[in-house]
Amino acid sequence: GQNIDQPTEMTATEGAIVQINCTYQTSGFNGLFWYQQHAGEAPTFLSYNVLDGLEEKGRFSSFLSRSKGYSYLLLKELQMKDSASYLCAPMDSNYQLIWGAGTKLIIKP
Amino acid sequence: IAGITQAPTSQILAAGRRMTLRCTQDMRHNAMYWYRQDLGLGLRLIHYSNTAGTTGKGEVPDGYSVSRANTDDFPLTLASAVPSQTSVYFCASSEGPGGSGDTQYFGPGTRLTVL
Repeated sequence: GQNIDQPTEMTATEGAIVQINCTYQTSGFNGLFWYQQHAGEAPTFLSYNVLDGLEEKGRFSSFLSRSKGYSYLLLKELQMKDSASYLCAPMDSNYQLIWGAGTKLIIKP
Repeated sequence: IAGITQAPTSQILAAGRRMTLRCTQDMRHNAMYWYRQDLGLGLRLIHYSNTAGTTGKGEVPDGYSVSRANTDDFPLTLASAVPSQTSVYFCASSEGPGGSGDTQYFGPGTRLTVL
């Protein structure tokens, strides 16, 4: 079956760095997306990885290892506004996104 | 209109009533999707449409129907609402299919309560 595994909740301090891990099992693979979702709002796109390695986009970076079924999202210089849920979503062979329950990130001052 | 709009923003509905959730996008995206999101669970795909005139069933299609008469609109209908359909419903669209073109962009959501 298809499965996504992310930590349910993480806590970090403002200004610090945090890494949110995601492991996945899908029927086929066509890339992996990360989304951010603030409470009561819609998910918004953060990153897309289809090849192994690190993609950097400002304070956010995303890493993919296809052979390990593993990805992480790295957030640097944390700000209070980064408090949100982070959703890992690989795309299967039918180009459907498989969504995890997300990781709730709490930032403390 | 810029992006995706959904209506209504929220709705309280009596069980057994019929309800249509509206979704409109102005990005000329080919693909559109309906998801529901419940506390503690990931987004679950209800129905999707890869292009105008076609639709497909997602993970949880029972009790829901969709149509895609044109590129912009993708309404979701609950024929006879039940309390288990209480949820937040998100509509999304993407250029589709394949690669980064399948980045999905979400509407603001409809919060539906069925009593």
